[in-house]
Amino acid sequence: DAGVIQSPRHEVTEMGQEVTLRCKPISGHDYLFWYRQTMMRGLELLIYFNNNVPIDDSGMPEDRFSAKMPNASFSTLKIQPSEPRDSAVYFCASSTTGTGWTSGNTIYFGEGSWLTVV
Amino acid sequence: RKEVEQDPGPFNVPEGATVAFNCTYSNSASQSFFWYRQDCRKEPKLLMSVYSSGNEDGRFTAQLNRASQYISLLIRDSKLSDSATYLCVVTPYNNNDMRFGAGTRLTVKP
Repeated sequence: DAGVIQSPRHEVTEMGQEVTLRCKPISGHDYLFWYRQTMMRGLELLIYFNNNVPIDDSGMPEDRFSAKMPNASFSTLKIQPSEPRDSAVYFCASSTTGTGWTSGNTIYFGEGSWLTVV
Repeated sequence: RKEVEQDPGPFNVPEGATVAFNCTYSNSASQSFFWYRQDCRKEPKLLMSVYSSGNEDGRFTAQLNRASQYISLLIRDSKLSDSATYLCVVTPYNNNDMRFGAGTRLTVKP
């Protein structure tokens, strides 16, 4: 089975430009997560969806960030306008039952989108 | 105080050594616990879940101490391929916000 697929894998953009990161979750997974990883802050949850509905976006750093999930097989994370401090690895992940205590399951990460804003 | 704290290391050990990592968490309501492994420039991958009674998977043993709010990972007979960053992960009850520790870097040398 294909894993979580993210694109682009690498992006270098100039400050002020719009960045759109894309994610295709594993088929049949009804939870989708967006994480950001930096050296300073480690892995942080930005937002997650259940059945295409945003459930918790409290981790989204500010209004410049937005995420959508128009259908079960596609999600986007958009940064507009981008700033150098947004440089990070952005991971998308998916799971079948979330990560709550009843699951004992896990989430599966994509390979990440490496974003550099100059 | 961070919700999940780990010793960042690095731990540099010879092949065949036994190494242990600890992780503490601050939310006493946490219910699910995991260890993830992340190779350099790769995505995190589940290494093992951590159960209340402790559990073992080959050379890896995970322990949970709820009273002291810490989790441990023991690796026996270290292999070169064990070199990676090990992330401690905690999930509060009925919540999908997995909290990741900053990770402990392990390097196993010949």
